Amino acid sequence: GAGVSQSPSNKVTEKGKDVELRCDPISGHTALYWYRQSLGQGLEFLIYFQGNSAPDKSGLPSDRFSAERTGGSVSTLTIQRTQQEDSAVYLCASSRGGLAQTYEQYFGPGTRLTVT
Amino acid sequence: GEDVEQSLFLSVREGDSSVINCTYTDSSSTYLYWYKQEPGAGLQLLTYIFSNMDMKQDQRLTVLLNKKDKHLSLRIADTQTGDSAIYFCAERRSQGNLIFGKGTKLSVKP
Repeated sequence: GAGVSQSPSNKVTEKGKDVELRCDPISGHTALYWYRQSLGQGLEFLIYFQGNSAPDKSGLPSDRFSAERTGGSVSTLTIQRTQQEDSAVYLCASSRGGLAQTYEQYFGPGTRLTVT
Repeated sequence: GEDVEQSLFLSVREGDSSVINCTYTDSSSTYLYWYKQEPGAGLQLLTYIFSNMDMKQDQRLTVLLNKKDKHLSLRIADTQTGDSAIYFCAERRSQGNLIFGKGTKLSVKP
């Protein structure tokens, strides 16, 4: 079946602009996670959605970062007023949650963000 | 500390066994994972182990867990050049998110 998909695959933006990154989780997966991978920091957790519950935003590095998940499926990660240190690969993962919870998290291919 | 620790590099000869080690931080972590990342590719889930197990085997992969020492290892038998990649260890926190190590780059020499 289809895996986690993310778009765009690459994004180059100028410092100070806003960007939106999209994630389509695996169909039927109610849990969705955003991570980012950078050379200096490795893989960092950003935010977690589970069903209709309030998201766990504990990993967001600043208030310039926000995410939403519409209809319990597609998620958008927004970075406002981008800075050069935001350059990284942004990864989305999904897993089954709720009563059918399993513990495998499957990752998308990522969006490589470059802030110039 | 708060970090999941892994050695950064491992080099082996084709046909040998590779052992990648990891120490994690949270004794209440219920699941521990190994992911593989090939150059330019995403993260591929290789295997995971529940914390009440001490070993899991899946074809050429063997995972050993020492919960007392918070030590996890991944053994790859008969390592092939196609196994060259970065291997990440991760622990699952109670909130559901994963905490990753920095990754071990495995190089397989023919």
